[in-house]
Amino acid sequence: QSALTQPRSVSGSPGQSVTISCTGSIINDGGYNYVSWYQQHPGKAPKLLIHGVSQRPSGVPDRFSGSKSGDTASLTISGLQAEDEADYFCCSYTGSYAYVFGPGTKVSVL
Amino acid sequence: EVQLVESGGGLVKPGGSLKLSCVASGFSLSYAWMTWVRQAPGKGLEWVGRIKRETDGGTADYAAPVKGRFTISRDDSQNTLFLIMNSLRTEDTAIYYCATGGGANGYDDWGQGTLVSVSS
Repeated sequence: QSALTQPRSVSGSPGQSVTISCTGSIINDGGYNYVSWYQQHPGKAPKLLIHGVSQRPSGVPDRFSGSKSGDTASLTISGLQAEDEADYFCCSYTGSYAYVFGPGTKVSVL
Repeated sequence: EVQLVESGGGLVKPGGSLKLSCVASGFSLSYAWMTWVRQAPGKGLEWVGRIKRETDGGTADYAAPVKGRFTISRDDSQNTLFLIMNSLRTEDTAIYYCATGGGANGYDDWGQGTLVSVSS
């Protein structure tokens, strides 16, 4: 049982926006903003999309954005594209010199 | 270009040991905090542990399920990260990835992973 919860799946049509939530008390504990998001296609290694709650590494399309409110961090994909169909994982610092990943959300493009 | 290549995975019996390696290229490992993440077949990602760079103390932190059984070490002269796994259990069966970063700024680069299977 992860300390973080994510919806098992979300779906949207091409061009639409979808938001994935990541909820847990550790998101807001200690005032840390050490939340990151990863995209993983089947059989591939994860790819960093967002770090520091809302910081996007160079090379990541600006369709991907992150935010946080209270105990919930969110990843929004705007202008959904077929290649966005993948699993998405949040990750947060636990405050005890360790990190934890959320269980993952499968995004389907209808 | 940053590249991470893991090796050392394989089939091992419960109670056995295994040593994974992660060879880094395209950057100097000595500047990096490094992390191991695993993924059981068909499951999500699980944080295993991280090691700081030597200039920050070189110490390692571990997830509760592996603490006391797994050890992360590094040989910066060989640009290589290690994961030494003892007292292996069936639930340790997973693909093991090494990644750059200690977590605060996310994990930028990942290897392709190496599969560890623990079974009698």
